[in-house]
Amino acid sequence: AQTVTQSQPEMSVQEAETVTLSCTYDTSENNYYLFWYKQPPSRQMILVIRQEAYKQQNATENRFSVNFQKAAKSFSLKISDSQLGDTAMYFCAFTPYNTDKLIFGTGTRLQVFP
Amino acid sequence: KAGVTQTPRYLIKTRGQQVTLSCSPISGHRSVSWYQQTPGQGLQFLFEYFSETQRNKGNFPGRFSGRQFSNSRSEMNVSTLELGDSALYLCASSPQLSINYGYTFGSGTRLTVV
Repeated sequence: AQTVTQSQPEMSVQEAETVTLSCTYDTSENNYYLFWYKQPPSRQMILVIRQEAYKQQNATENRFSVNFQKAAKSFSLKISDSQLGDTAMYFCAFTPYNTDKLIFGTGTRLQVFP
Repeated sequence: KAGVTQTPRYLIKTRGQQVTLSCSPISGHRSVSWYQQTPGQGLQFLFEYFSETQRNKGNFPGRFSGRQFSNSRSEMNVSTLELGDSALYLCASSPQLSINYGYTFGSGTRLTVV
C-alpha cells in the first residue's frame, strides 16, 4: 500500500525563523510526484511546492524549499523567514506518475508566533 | 481568472436524506476530482472525472456518486446520508489528464448530517 506519514501533528515557530516539516512516504513506484499543500482557515488547499521524483535537484519556491531523499523516501519542507500568514495546516501528498489521485498525509498544524 | 467554485459553502442535512454538491472548475480545466476531509480519516480520494467520464474511484460505498457535464462542471451526490458523511468535501481541477502538475482546489462544502 502507498502511504504518506507526517509525524509532527503540530509545530510552532517564531516569525522570521526557519522551520522544517517532515514527511515520509512508502511506495514501490519509481516515478512519482510529491507535493506540499497548505490549508489555512479559509479551507482552500493551496499548492506550496512540487517535486518530481526523477529530478535530483530539490525544488524551491521563494521561502519554501524541500529536502528530497529518494532512497530514504523522505520529503521535508523548509520554510525560511516564517511569516504570520504561513500559519496553516500543511499536507504532504504523493501521486504515482500518470495516476489521478493524491495520497495525503495526516497534516502538520503550523503556528507562527509574532 | 476565477478559481474553483464550490456551492454551497455550508449544508446541513438530516440522516437518510440525499445531497448534491456542485463544483465549477477553472475555465479550461477538464479534469475534476473530489476529496472527502474528516478529522478521523483525513483527506480521501472520492473520484475523478475527465471529459464527462469517471476515470477513477476511491473506496467509498455506492451511495457516493458523481458526474461531469460537457462544460466540465461536476456534481457529487450522496444518498441515504449517514452521520459519518459529515465532512468537508473538496473539489479540485487540473488542466491535464494527469495531476502531475498539481491540482487547484476549491474552498469546499462543509456538510453536516444531523
